[in-house]
Amino acid sequence: KNEVEQSPQNLTAQEGEFITINCSYSVGISALHWLQQHPGGGIVSLFMLSSGKKKHGRLIATINIQEKHSSLHITASHPRDSAVYICAVRGAQKLVFGQGTRLTINP
Amino acid sequence: EAGVAQSPRYKIIEKRQSVAFWCNPISGHATLYWYQQILGQGPKLLIQFQNNGVVDDSQLPKDRFSAERLKGVDSTLKIQPAKLEDSAVYLCASRRPGTNTEAFFGQGTRLTVV
Repeated sequence: KNEVEQSPQNLTAQEGEFITINCSYSVGISALHWLQQHPGGGIVSLFMLSSGKKKHGRLIATINIQEKHSSLHITASHPRDSAVYICAVRGAQKLVFGQGTRLTINP
Repeated sequence: EAGVAQSPRYKIIEKRQSVAFWCNPISGHATLYWYQQILGQGPKLLIQFQNNGVVDDSQLPKDRFSAERLKGVDSTLKIQPAKLEDSAVYLCASRRPGTNTEAFFGQGTRLTVV
């Protein structure tokens, strides 16, 4: 079993829909990252959080340390949100990545 | 501040050839990571540097992969000789020292081995 599991692996939705991507992990962590990767391969950090909830524009990230679970929400989704979303957790020093969720938003 | 710079962006080589990737981290970022991301999978750590010392290279295939960060700034990752299964995106990331400092990623180098 992977240390970091994401679901779903693929998600297709219509423009305007509310999107939720989930991440569960099995190790102790000091922080959790949500990352966005576009087809060119570059990765952009969306959030780093260790407790509670963070919001940036239409993006919201939450984490429940006791349940070892985090969610990334996108409100009023748009085709430009189409990308791979990756959850990564930091243990002692290194980042461990989930396999990613491929999100496609159709107009 | 300038981001993490990687070059080249794309590289196509034949199997058994050698290839090298370069990474210039953000200034002041002591920690530098190299990741391999095979299509459809999440990134996998190859090696982590703290300044010019190796912190973790447990998943680096040392028979063919090598990496160095001689002056604790730029880093190079080399594959010699390349195999078909090395086709992947190679990502470099860096962060400042500290428990909860954020990691910043480069654009990656997409390697295709034919």
